[in-house]
Amino acid sequence: GQNIDQPTEMTATEGAIVQINCTYQTSGFNGLFWYQQHAGEAPTFLSYNVLDGLEEKGRFSSFLSRSKGYSYLLLKELQMKDSASYLCAPMDSNYQLIWGAGTKLIIKP
Amino acid sequence: DVKVTQSSRYLVKRTGEKVFLECVQDMDHENMFWYRQDPGLGLRLIYFSYDVKMKEKGDIPEGYSVSREKKERFSLILESASTNQTSMYLCASSQYTPDRVSNYGYTFGSGTRLTVV
Repeated sequence: GQNIDQPTEMTATEGAIVQINCTYQTSGFNGLFWYQQHAGEAPTFLSYNVLDGLEEKGRFSSFLSRSKGYSYLLLKELQMKDSASYLCAPMDSNYQLIWGAGTKLIIKP
Repeated sequence: DVKVTQSSRYLVKRTGEKVFLECVQDMDHENMFWYRQDPGLGLRLIYFSYDVKMKEKGDIPEGYSVSREKKERFSLILESASTNQTSMYLCASSQYTPDRVSNYGYTFGSGTRLTVV
């Protein structure tokens, strides 16, 4: 079957660094996406990894290990506006995104 | 700017009503999806479509139907609305080919928060 596992909720302090982990199992694999979703809004694209390694984009970085079925999203210099849910979504062999329940990130001053 | 537009941001309907949720995309994407999202459950796929007049059931199609008469429009229909269909409904589209899908995966509309009373 297909399965995504990420923590339900995390708390971090403004200015700090936080790492959100994701493990997955899918039928085939065409890359992994991370999305950000603020409360009451639609998910928006953050990053895409298809090869192993780290992709850096400003304050956000995403890592992928295909052999381990593992990814993480690293957020640096946290700001209050980073309070949101973060969705890990691998893409299966049919080019469909498989969604977990997401990780709610709470930033405290 | 690429866009997926959902016709209503908030909707209140009565039990038993037939409800239409409309979604239009301007990116010439082949794939379109309807999800519902409930607290703690994440995104659940209702129906999807890979082409005009084509539809496939997702994980939770019961109580819903869809229509895709034109490439840019994908409609979700609640045949007889019930209170357990109160939810946030999200439409998304994507391009089939890997070189385009990698740009952003799915593009979502802003969502329709439906309340059935």
